[in-house]
Amino acid sequence: EDQVTQSPEALRLQEGESSSLNCSYTVSGLRGLFWYRQDPGKGPEFLFTLYSAGEEKEKERLKATLTKKESFLHITAPKPEDSATYLCAVQVYNNNDMRFGAGTRLTVKP
Amino acid sequence: DAGVIQSPRHEVTEMGQEVTLRCKPISGHDYLFWYRQTMMRGLELLIYFNNNVPIDDSGMPEDRFSAKMPNASFSTLKIQPSEPRDSAVYFCASSLSRQGGVNEQFFGPGTRLTVL
Repeated sequence: EDQVTQSPEALRLQEGESSSLNCSYTVSGLRGLFWYRQDPGKGPEFLFTLYSAGEEKEKERLKATLTKKESFLHITAPKPEDSATYLCAVQVYNNNDMRFGAGTRLTVKP
Repeated sequence: DAGVIQSPRHEVTEMGQEVTLRCKPISGHDYLFWYRQTMMRGLELLIYFNNNVPIDDSGMPEDRFSAKMPNASFSTLKIQPSEPRDSAVYFCASSLSRQGGVNEQFFGPGTRLTVL
């Protein structure tokens, strides 16, 4: 069965303290891996899609990377406004739905 | 573009009542998804449509749940009768298929349902 596991469940950082979030997956035929950000009371907001191992994508202080078994979301010098829950999801071939992980709740203190 | 629109944003109802949630996808998108989010189970896919046709409803919890998409710009998720355990945030998302490509989904703001 396809599985997506995110760690840690929660992460507290000081402003400027860089760190990484992990998304490990066990799927049969990865078509794409997605990262989303979700703020309280809002829907998930699309950040990145990664297609193949070795691929990297960046957006402001965020960089997503992908290997054959996991993806990392690196946050460089985070700011309080980066506080949110970060979700990863996978899509497999022959299927157009996505399976989501439980998310990592990030808090950045000033 | 206005993004995915959902209504109502909040719904409070009593056990046994019928609840109808509404969604307007992004114009031109050909896929529509309904999700439920709870603290215990996270984000779960309930059903999705392609070109208004239901493709996979294996996530629909039971016969009390039904979904329709009468046209490309409107979908409903109905719960009848509602139960307290249905309390959750329900999200609608839409995406545009690409030949041989991967579809990122764009989510609406959600409907927070409370069943008393």
